[in-house]
Order: sequence, then structure tokens, then C-alpha cells
Amino acid sequence: AQSVTQLDSQVPVFEEAPVELRCNYSSSVSVYLFWYVQYPNQGLQLLLKYLSGSTLVKGINGFEAEFNKSQTSFHLRKPSVHISDTAEYFCAVSAIGTGFQKLVFGTGTRLLVSP
Amino acid sequence: DTEVTQTPKHLVMGMTNKKSLKCEQHMGHRAMYWYKQKAKKPPELMFVYSYEKLSINESVPSRFSPECPNSSLLNLHLHALQPEDSALYLCASSRETSGGGEQFFGPGTRLTVL
Repeated sequence: AQSVTQLDSQVPVFEEAPVELRCNYSSSVSVYLFWYVQYPNQGLQLLLKYLSGSTLVKGINGFEAEFNKSQTSFHLRKPSVHISDTAEYFCAVSAIGTGFQKLVFGTGTRLLVSP
Repeated sequence: DTEVTQTPKHLVMGMTNKKSLKCEQHMGHRAMYWYKQKAKKPPELMFVYSYEKLSINESVPSRFSPECPNSSLLNLHLHALQPEDSALYLCASSRETSGGGEQFFGPGTRLTVL
């Protein structure tokens, strides 16, 4: 089974400052990794994903994440945030294997960007 | 078309009502999902359809009844719901269910049960 830990429930940051949202996971098998963003009263939108290859993954809206297998982490970063980045961010994993593989979510991190 | 659409956006129903939520995708995906999301929580998987057949039911109460009429449509029929069923209901789809991979989410239906 897989589990995902997002230790920070809320991250306040000023506009144009850099931000890092932390994600650690646990799994006995290899996994795919995802970051989803949920704006208020909306569904989830995929920001980026790691399937294989380069451990530095670039996504939409200037976000990037780095897969670190030894530390079982997949932290999300943005060098300069905007007010419009205020949202809930979910890290998720799914096992690589045959048959149905459930998408396992972390508890989410609320990014609050203020002027 | 890379969208998953859901109707209605909002739904208010009494505990004795029968209503349905609808979800549609035209990406040729063969896997579709229903999730329930309570406030400030991650989505919880309810049902998985693979090639229009129900493959996973995460022990959801029978007052929720899913239906997949064809490969593009997914319904969730609601009957005799409880106030604690109030939540955001999200539909998602993916190319297949096997091997993991990206799921595309719809905007959700905000359900309130009075």
C-alpha cells in the first residue's frame, strides 16, 4: 500500500516570493507521482507528473518538482508566486503495476499568497 | 477535447428525493471514477468503471448507485441521502485503470442534503 504525507497544512507567502510545498511518500513498489491544484469551488487540475526519466519535472503555471527516490520525496516549487496561485495543492501517488492502481492523495497544503 | 464535464454544478435535495449526477468525457478514456470530497479533505474514491463495467466499489452505501450507459457517460443516482452526504462529488477519467497514470477531473457537483 502507498501513503502520502504533506506535513504543511497551510503555507502563507508573500507575492513574488519563492515557495516550496513538501511531499513525502511511502511505498514498497515503484510509483508514479503527481501534483494536483484545486482552486476554490473547482475540481482538481494536474500541475505536473513524474512517470520516469529526468527527476526534475516542469509543469504548468511555472511550477516544478523534483523526485528524490532516496528521500522518497516529491517537493513542489515555484520561484515567484502570484496572488492567483492561492489554492489547495494535493500530492498523489499511484503504484506502477498491472491491474487497477488507486490514486492515493496526501491531505493537501493550502497555499495562501498575500500582497 | 480534454475536458471532463459534470452537471449540475450545484444540487440541493431533501432526504427523500431521488436525483442524479452526470459526467461526460470525450477523450476516449475507458476508465471513469466517482470521488467524494468533504471540505478541506482530499478526494475519496467511491467507484471505478473500466470498459463500462463496475470494477471497484469502495464499500459505498447503496443509497449511491452508479451507472455507465456508454464509454463517454457516467451517472451517479442518489436516493434517500443523509445530511452527512453533503460534499463535492468529482468525476474523473483516465485512459485505462491498469498501471496507474494521470486522471483528469471534472469541476464537480456541490451537493447539499437537507
